[in-house]
Amino acid sequence: GENVEQHPSTLSVQEGDSAVIKCTYSDSASNYFPWYKQELGKGPQLIIDIRSNVGEKKDQRIAVTLNKTAKHFSLHITETQPEDSAVYFCAVGDGRRALTFGSGTRLQVQP
Amino acid sequence: GAVVSQHPSWVICKSGTSVKIECRSLDFQATTMFWYRQFPKQSLMLMATSNEGSKATYEQGVEKDKFLINHASLTLSTLTVTSAHPEDSSFYICSARDLERGGETDTQYFGPGTRLTVL
Repeated sequence: GENVEQHPSTLSVQEGDSAVIKCTYSDSASNYFPWYKQELGKGPQLIIDIRSNVGEKKDQRIAVTLNKTAKHFSLHITETQPEDSAVYFCAVGDGRRALTFGSGTRLQVQP
Repeated sequence: GAVVSQHPSWVICKSGTSVKIECRSLDFQATTMFWYRQFPKQSLMLMATSNEGSKATYEQGVEKDKFLINHASLTLSTLTVTSAHPEDSSFYICSARDLERGGETDTQYFGPGTRLTVL
C-alpha cells in the first residue's frame, strides 16, 4: 500500500515568515495530493490540492509544488499569520482507494 | 465549497450503551463516505469506506460488528458504536467524496467531527 511521510512534525515560525512542509510518497500510481488544515477540536479543512498533471498551484498565500519523479510534494505558506497556527496534514490518493494521510505537522506562528 | 455535517458534535455515554453518529453531505451527493478515528496528537486512521447501497469495507483490525455503518442515501451515512467501552473514546470524523466533480473523484470533504467519551 501507499506510504506517506511528512516532515517536520512541528514547526515554529515568526509572524510574516514563510513555512514549508514536505511529504514523500511511495506509490507511483498516486495522482492526487491534497493538504488539510485541522484546528483543535475540528475536522480537517481542505486548503489546497494538486493533481499529477500539474507541477505547482497557488492560492493567495498558499502554494503546493509537486515533483512526481522524486515522489514528493510540499506546502508553502508565505507571510504567515497567527491564525495559520494549526496542524497540517498532507494526503495522497489514486482515484480508487481512500486517501492516505501523513502524520501531520503542528505549525505555530509566533506573533 | 462542499459542506459535510456531523451530529452530534460530542456525546458522553455509559459503558455498554450504543451511540449513533450521523454524517451528511449538505450541498452535494456522495456515493462514497469514509469514517476515521483520531486519537490526540495523532493522524487520521481510516476505519471504513461506505458506499451508498452496499456494505461498508472495513480496514484491517476494525471490528465490523462493533462499528456498524449504514449508507442509506447519497447524502447520509451513519456510524453506530455498539456496546461502547472507554477504549472507544475518540474523535470520529467522516468525509465524503463530491460526486458532481466528475473525474476529480478523489476530492474529500470532512465533517467537523464527533467527540465520543465513554464513561
